[in-house]
Amino acid sequence: GAGVSQSPSNKVTEKGKDVELRCDPISGHTALYWYRQSLGQGLEFLIYFQGNSAPDKSGLPSDRFSAERTGGSVSTLTIQRTQQEDSAVYLCASSFHGQPNEKLFFGSGTQLSVL
Amino acid sequence: SQQGEEDPQALSIQEGENATMNCSYKTSINNLQWYRQNSGRGLVHLILIRSNEREKHSGRLRVTLDTSKKSSSLLITASRAADTASYFCATDGGPGSARQLTFGSGTQLTVLP
Repeated sequence: GAGVSQSPSNKVTEKGKDVELRCDPISGHTALYWYRQSLGQGLEFLIYFQGNSAPDKSGLPSDRFSAERTGGSVSTLTIQRTQQEDSAVYLCASSFHGQPNEKLFFGSGTQLSVL
Repeated sequence: SQQGEEDPQALSIQEGENATMNCSYKTSINNLQWYRQNSGRGLVHLILIRSNEREKHSGRLRVTLDTSKKSSSLLITASRAADTASYFCATDGGPGSARQLTFGSGTQLTVLP
């Protein structure tokens, strides 16, 4: 596609429910990233995919968080048993090869609110 | 902890003035990038400077890098109201590191008309 697409743009859920966030990267980009941004804060790295594999999951804050990528394209970030502290904007980005000299292309994010 | 830290946290200037934002980081890097974020949503890449470069220009943007001080600055000249946004620096992990881009907490720039 023309850009990185994320859905939904907004998600309101109740504490304890599971949520799935979707990211559709730019076509042909092999690297995909998930970041989290709390209100007024910087970006917190969550996970990085190269193709369908995740060589770096170091940023996932707990085992309630998981992510997968299929077909080297769409990725889903799943948060189980959501907590209020999970409320944040979840940003997805992609790049051509995941090299350090490449810029990231970001989606518009999913605003998650856990009540 | 954040690899990059921006300074100041917030900056308010009049249209036409120059805006300078600083970024400090802790470990060696291959490249340093600056991004802009409007309204707390997606980030847009502005400029990348390599570790062997000292200065880079793009339009009204000027970026400097001092690897001895582990710091970078972003200068926006002749600012416009449309430059109002948050600006973030991002660093990689340096030679041989697999660490992904780490972002600082950002500088909120407000340009008053």
